[in-house]
Amino acid sequence: EAGVAQSPRYKIIEKRQSVAFWCNPISGHATLYWYQQILGQGPKLLIQFQNNGVVDDSQLPKDRFSAERLKGVDSTLKIQPAKLEDSAVYLCASSGRTSGSSYEQYFGPGTRLTVT
Amino acid sequence: AQKITQTQPGMFVQEKEAVTLDCTYDTSDQSYGLFWYKQPSSGEMIFLIYQGSYDEQNATEGRYSLNFQKARKSANLVISASQLGDSAMYFCAVYSGYSTLTFGKGTMLLVSP
Repeated sequence: EAGVAQSPRYKIIEKRQSVAFWCNPISGHATLYWYQQILGQGPKLLIQFQNNGVVDDSQLPKDRFSAERLKGVDSTLKIQPAKLEDSAVYLCASSGRTSGSSYEQYFGPGTRLTVT
Repeated sequence: AQKITQTQPGMFVQEKEAVTLDCTYDTSDQSYGLFWYKQPSSGEMIFLIYQGSYDEQNATEGRYSLNFQKARKSANLVISASQLGDSAMYFCAVYSGYSTLTFGKGTMLLVSP
């Protein structure tokens, strides 16, 4: 079974530029999550999708961050314009009832963003 | 609001020894789940073990066991017979409601030969 795929793995941009990250969840997983992990901290949930609907985006800075999950499969997370404090690893995860606990989340390798 | 506290920034252990990583949690929900994840230097979060709040027995997965003390709101991870490949960051997390995970700040484990 293929895992969660993310691209790119690394991205360096200047502040005020825009950037987009892509995530393809495990096949059949209805729930998709985007997390932000700042160096030295645990991941923080940005947004959660159930199929193509948003379940929780309470911690998403909506003035600069946006996310979509068209057709309920893959998802993109965008930052526009980026700030220095957005430097972090952006993790995508998915969960479903295809295997294991329905609450278990499977994570992708992450995208490491550096804003200069 | 949920909160996870991991008080050990770093732990050192020799190969083949057992190690306990501490985790305390705070949640107002009666039904919740506790997770431990491992994050090696490659960055991927790897699921290790899960404990439900109504599970009466402590969860075990191979060399990993979860010492669940509900009254103390404690969910410590015990790794038996440490291996060099266990060197990584370890995160404790709690969920309640609809699959929302809240993570602690993590503990860095270093296993020496």
